[in-house]
Amino acid sequence: RKEVEQDPGPFNVPEGATVAFNCTYSNSASQSFFWYRQDCRKEPKLLMSVYSSGNEDGRFTAQLNRASQYISLLIRDSKLSDSATYLCVVNGEGSQGNLIFGKGTKLSVKP
Amino acid sequence: EPEVTQTPSHQVTQMGQEVILRCVPISNHLYFYWYRQILGQKVEFLVSFYNNEISEKSEIFDDQFSVERPDGSNFTLKIRSTKLEDSAMYFCASSPLGFVSGILQETQYFGPGTRLLVL
Repeated sequence: RKEVEQDPGPFNVPEGATVAFNCTYSNSASQSFFWYRQDCRKEPKLLMSVYSSGNEDGRFTAQLNRASQYISLLIRDSKLSDSATYLCVVNGEGSQGNLIFGKGTKLSVKP
Repeated sequence: EPEVTQTPSHQVTQMGQEVILRCVPISNHLYFYWYRQILGQKVEFLVSFYNNEISEKSEIFDDQFSVERPDGSNFTLKIRSTKLEDSAMYFCASSPLGFVSGILQETQYFGPGTRLLVL
């Protein structure tokens, strides 16, 4: 069974801190990787896609290590509004967009 | 910004009853999906739909479930005879292109969900 594993947290950090989330996936054939953000009782929202070379979007940096089947997300200068659950997501075995979600890592940023 | 909409936001039903969850995907999108999230659990794929037919489904999507695109805008999920364990948040998602050669060309945009409670 294809799985995505994440540390559930919670991560409690002060404003301005740097925090890193890790994720491992079991399907070596996965080709597409994402970080989604989910606020309490809300829908998942795409934070960023993850590319092999690593990519950055403002305070957020994502890295992919295919050999280790490992994905990371780094948040710098964390804000109160970053408080949410961060979902690691990879594509499933099919070719029509089946996404496999991790259970998520909860982040709480405190003043 | 265009968004996926879902109705109703909440649905309470008795075990054994049929429910229909409705979604209006983003208008120029071609691929449609249903996911569910049991409280405290991860988001799980149910089914994908393209060109008026199911393209993929998970083991969760058994004979009790069906999907339909009855007109040019709505995309529905029907549960024929609900069970207690069907209680969950159901998310609809849509994507403009889907996968090409295994590579996702565009992201999936999720609706706000329908919270289903089966009593």
